[in-house]
Amino acid sequence: DIQMTQSPSSLSASVGDRVTITCRASQSISSYLNWYQQKPGKAPKLLIYAASSLQSGVPSRFSGSGSGTDFTLTISSLQPEDFATYYCQQSYSTLHTFGQGTKLEIK
Amino acid sequence: QLQLQESGPGLVKPSETLSLTCTVSGGSISSSSYYWGWIRQPPGKGLEWIGSIYYSGSTYYNPSLKSRVTISVDTSKNQFSLKLSSVTAADTAVYYCARHVVIAVAGQDLAWFDPWGQGTLVTVSS
Repeated sequence: DIQMTQSPSSLSASVGDRVTITCRASQSISSYLNWYQQKPGKAPKLLIYAASSLQSGVPSRFSGSGSGTDFTLTISSLQPEDFATYYCQQSYSTLHTFGQGTKLEIK
Repeated sequence: QLQLQESGPGLVKPSETLSLTCTVSGGSISSSSYYWGWIRQPPGKGLEWIGSIYYSGSTYYNPSLKSRVTISVDTSKNQFSLKLSSVTAADTAVYYCARHVVIAVAGQDLAWFDPWGQGTLVTVSS
């Protein structure tokens, strides 16, 4: 199985901050990496696919980068509605696996 | 706008079979571009992909659950279903259905889940 490890597990930040979340794969996954946002009691929402492609309707303050084993999700200027848990997911393997999540909290 | 909605019992007894259905509206489950998947999330924990199905009936499953999982599709009702047998308390989770977009690129499948249903909590308890 390809293990996906996110860091940090939790993060406190303020509105307007620039935030970066990291996802590391246990082996190279090329650019087969997606990012999701999940708010409490809600289903995950796709933000980024193929490492850096912004899903339609997602604000441009979200961006993704990386390839191989190391990936980042960046929020350029945090907004109140961005406080949530973020997950990465790989599709390089037919056994699709998710990271453990990064909880972004208000400082 | 494509929407997915899970339905099924919220309480299942240990050793019995969990059965859920996902109804797709606003689009056809028979589209050639998509698979349809199930993902679960135990309370307070992360996401686990269970398996996915194509409208033709072709399936692929998470190997850790494969012996207990059956996913089927009913194109006439625009629905797909999940059965998980011999459940234990460890199967207590919110179960989500989602459209599974799969694009073949350079011999690999670029794939993501979008959109998702709202999820349904299934508790395994006697």
